[in-house]
Amino acid sequence: EDQVTQSPEALRLQEGESSSLNCSYTVSGLRGLFWYRQDPGKGPEFLFTLYSAGEEKEKERLKATLTKKESFLHITAPKPEDSATYLCAVGRSNDYKLSFGAGTTVTVRA
Amino acid sequence: DTGVSQDPRHKITKRGQNVTFRCDPISEHNRLYWYRQTLGQGPEFLTYFQNEAQLEKSRLLSDRFSAERPKGSFSTLEIQRTEQGDSAMYLCASSLDPRGELFFGEGSRLTVL
Repeated sequence: EDQVTQSPEALRLQEGESSSLNCSYTVSGLRGLFWYRQDPGKGPEFLFTLYSAGEEKEKERLKATLTKKESFLHITAPKPEDSATYLCAVGRSNDYKLSFGAGTTVTVRA
Repeated sequence: DTGVSQDPRHKITKRGQNVTFRCDPISEHNRLYWYRQTLGQGPEFLTYFQNEAQLEKSRLLSDRFSAERPKGSFSTLEIQRTEQGDSAMYLCASSLDPRGELFFGEGSRLTVL
């Protein structure tokens, strides 16, 4: 069965203090690894898809990287509006659904 | 681009009542998913449609849960004889590319008293 483990569970940052979130996964035949952002009371918002080890994607202050066993989401010089829960999910090559981790809740203080 | 639309956004019901949620996917998307999310957890897969065919159901989906997508457009998720453990956010998502990302709606929050 697919396993997705995110750490830490919660992260409190000062504005401008860069950090990284970790997503470790076990899946039989990775189709893709997906990062989402979720604000309280809202649905997940798509950020990135990574398909193969060594791939990197960037969007504003966020950068996602992928290895064969884990993915990192780097937040560079975060702002308070980056406060959210960040979810990681994996898709299997012979399957259409995604399996999600429990998320990392990031709080950025001004 | 109207996105995925879900209705109602919030539902409070008494234990034992039936509830129904509706999802309108992005218009050109032929794949539709239902997920459930409880506090502090990631979304858990419930069921998946390709066009009007329900192709997969999770073991989490008890006999009290039924989902339909009658014309391959909108979908409904009905929960019969609700229990307090059914309290959660019910999320609908749609996709076009089978290898691609899912696009989620804002969710329907269910509270069972």
